[in-house]
Amino acid sequence: QKEVEQNSGPLSVPEGAIASLNCTYSDRGSQSFFWYRQYSGKSPELIMFIYSNGDKEDGRFTAQLNKASQYVSLLIRDSQPSDSATYLCAVNPGNTGKLIFGQGTTLQVKP
Amino acid sequence: DAGVIQSPRHEVTEMGQEVTLRCKPISGHNSLFWYRQTMMRGLELLIYFNNNVPIDDSGMPEDRFSAKMPNASFSTLKIQPSEPRDSAVYFCASNLGGHQPQHFGDGTRLSIL
Repeated sequence: QKEVEQNSGPLSVPEGAIASLNCTYSDRGSQSFFWYRQYSGKSPELIMFIYSNGDKEDGRFTAQLNKASQYVSLLIRDSQPSDSATYLCAVNPGNTGKLIFGQGTTLQVKP
Repeated sequence: DAGVIQSPRHEVTEMGQEVTLRCKPISGHNSLFWYRQTMMRGLELLIYFNNNVPIDDSGMPEDRFSAKMPNASFSTLKIQPSEPRDSAVYFCASNLGGHQPQHFGDGTRLSIL
């Protein structure tokens, strides 16, 4: 079992819709969770991070964390074509400083 | 504010040659990370430093790879000798340590012929 799993997609949504990206992780001791956006040929860019159970909202983005289910998600409201990218879920296991990345989900927002 | 700075942006070299990738972390950040990204394996952590000291190098593929951080503002990743399977994008990232978010440089696209 991979440590951090994401559906590779592509996930296709129409412009203006809500995009829901999901991630599961295997280490129950994980304490911090990150979502990065990566455009083709570019570097990963931090979108959101969350440490506690529940929801965290920032503009059109909401990160949701459920530690009991070992599940973290990213919701993008009012999706725009410029949101089309690969979204990487990353988990900080235990008390280490390192991140374990999922394979990423490709999102396509169609005008 | 300057972000993480990597050089070179692109490197093309022949198999067997030594390759040196460079990274300058964000000023004030005390942790530095080297990653490799390929289509097959995704984004993998190679090694990370905390306060210039290597903490975890379990991701370094083999002895051909080495990394150093001689001071808080500079790190190198060296491959000697290079092989075609080392072709990938290599990213450097830094953070304030612990659970703080990591910020990535633009990467070095390495091609070994």
